[in-house]
Amino acid sequence: QVQLQESGPGLVKPSETLSLTCAVSGYSISSGYYWGWIRQPPGKGLEWIGIIYHSGNTYYNPSLKSRVTISVDTSKNHFSLRLTSVTAADTAVYYCMRQPASFWYFDYWGQGTLVTVSS
Amino acid sequence: QSALTQPASVSGSPGQSITISCTGTNSDVGSYNLVSWYQHHPGKAPKLMIYEVSKRPSGVSNRFSGSKSGNTASLTISGLQAEDETDYYCCSYVGGSNSAVFGGGTKLTVL
Repeated sequence: QVQLQESGPGLVKPSETLSLTCAVSGYSISSGYYWGWIRQPPGKGLEWIGIIYHSGNTYYNPSLKSRVTISVDTSKNHFSLRLTSVTAADTAVYYCMRQPASFWYFDYWGQGTLVTVSS
Repeated sequence: QSALTQPASVSGSPGQSITISCTGTNSDVGSYNLVSWYQHHPGKAPKLMIYEVSKRPSGVSNRFSGSKSGNTASLTISGLQAEDETDYYCCSYVGGSNSAVFGGGTKLTVL
């Protein structure tokens, strides 16, 4: 059974960098699929952030592209999200997920982690 | 890219059928059969209900079905049950930017 678990600070100061990691169990990242992040601000809808393949190939939301980096560590079977220059608008529940390559749907999700941007 | 358009809310009585629409553009829904639907209970991980417009993952009830016409995709839930009451989101591939866009979400109330 594929399982994903997010981890990282729950509070980030404005203008600083948000960093989260998603640990994958039950499946080897190196075996395929894209792996990525989706977020949901309080009271709002879901927003796709971006994805990465085990080879390092990435695709990002055009509206976040200048601030987002997704990386993968196949030796630890986890992948990470970095979002720079955060503001209160980046406060959200962040979910990591798995995406079958080229099919653009998300079949496994983490439980989500709330990140609050506040001084 | 703009969010796909969903009704904010829909409702129905137990046993009835409801349909949630999801309207996009020629750059996303209208040009690709890559629309998916998610059921999201607050505080839990979203659950994939439909992918590639009308395919159901293993384990998802056949009460859930999807379709598409032009720039609008639809999720139909038949035989409504109390447990179906929650939020539903559509999502589509966006050509040109190799990205995905969600709808704003629809809250389903089972009366």
